[in-house]
Order: sequence, then structure tokens, then C-alpha cells
Amino acid sequence: QSALTQPPSASGSPGQSVTISCTGTSSDVGGYNYVSWYQQHPGKAPKLMIYEVSKRPSGVPDRFSGSKSGNTASLTVSGLQAEDEADYYCSSYAGSKNLLFGGGTKLTVL
Amino acid sequence: EVQVVESGGGLVQPGGSLRLSCAASGFTVSDYGMTWVRQAPGKGLEWVSAIGGGVSGTYYADSVKGRFTISRDNSKNTLYLQMNSLRAGDTAIYYCARRVAVAGTWAFDIWGRGTMVTVSS
Repeated sequence: QSALTQPPSASGSPGQSVTISCTGTSSDVGGYNYVSWYQQHPGKAPKLMIYEVSKRPSGVPDRFSGSKSGNTASLTVSGLQAEDEADYYCSSYAGSKNLLFGGGTKLTVL
Repeated sequence: EVQVVESGGGLVQPGGSLRLSCAASGFTVSDYGMTWVRQAPGKGLEWVSAIGGGVSGTYYADSVKGRFTISRDNSKNTLYLQMNSLRAGDTAIYYCARRVAVAGTWAFDIWGRGTMVTVSS
């Protein structure tokens, strides 16, 4: 199975909103509500930001939100802050006890 | 504090073996699903293997099936990844992570800092 498709980069100015897409197929993103999003700063471990498409773990700011339409999931970061600059990865359950990640999106805060 | 700490990485020759450990604290490993995820230098995340909580099964990515084995020692509260027949393409930081305590979900909320595995002659 192929990795999920994410844009390699995204950017926005402080205070703005930015949306990162994650495209899969009906066998993964479109077939299950098990899409997650992770934030990774350079040299650090990934951090869970969104799970089950739109749920936020405790401690994650509500500036981060997730959604899904068909085979594409999206992460929206509102009110961009400097500390949001990081790599973001989506993941999706793909059936048969298999998990896929996206290729990652580098978010730059201008 | 709830955390996991990986160890056991290092330099190994192609065809060799290595066993990674993931020591958990602040929670009981056997109560949660656990996973290994790797990241090659400068690349994205790749799911490697998972084990369910309790008596649930073990699961592997096609790229490591038949070569890697995930297991846990409940008495040591530790997760393991036995890696055999290692290839250059297995070179990566290996992260251990705990599955979110929601039935059926495949999301991971507690991650370690990772351990580096380099496969080279």
C-alpha cells in the first residue's frame, strides 16, 4: 500500500489559518474514521494533535482542528503562532491491521 | 510521569540482528496497544509493527514481515522489537509509542525520543 499524499509544504503568517490535506483511498482514509495528525519539531518525537478525524487529545489547543471528506482528510491550524512551525504527518488505519502515514508537510510560519 | 524510553539501537552489518527495548513508566504496557514507528534520516514516518493490549495479536508492515518480531515482557513493563536480517533500508530512528486508550483507534499519544539503528558495512 502507498503512503498517504500530503503537500510537501504549507505556509501562513501569524494569526492566519492554514489547512493541510491528506489524500488516500476508500481503503484507508475514506473507509475508516481513524485518521490522526502528528506534529514533529526538528529532532523531536512526534506529538499527537488529532485522532479519529477530529478529536483533540487533552492539552492540544483548539486552534487545531481536523475534518474529512471522502478520501481526503484535513488539518486546519487557526491563529497561526510561531511555535506551530513544524512537520505535520497524517496517518490512517488501512484495514487488515495496517497503518499508513502521509509523506509529511513542512509548515512554515512567515 | 507517563513515558516510554527506547534503547538498543546502534550500528549493525547487513544481515545482522538487533533487539530494541522500550521501557514504560507511569502505565502498564500490557494494558495498552503499543507500536513501533521508524523514520529514516530526513524522511517521513513509517509504521513498523504493533501489538494489542492484553492477549491481542501482533501486526507488521509488509516491509518487515518475517524479519521483525514485536513482543513484551509484562514483568519488566517493557516492549521489544527483535530485528533480524537487517538491510540498509532499515536504517532509521525507531520510535516506540503507546496507543490511545480508545477501543479500535489507531492513534498513539505517548512517544519516546527514539533510538537510532544504522545498518551498514
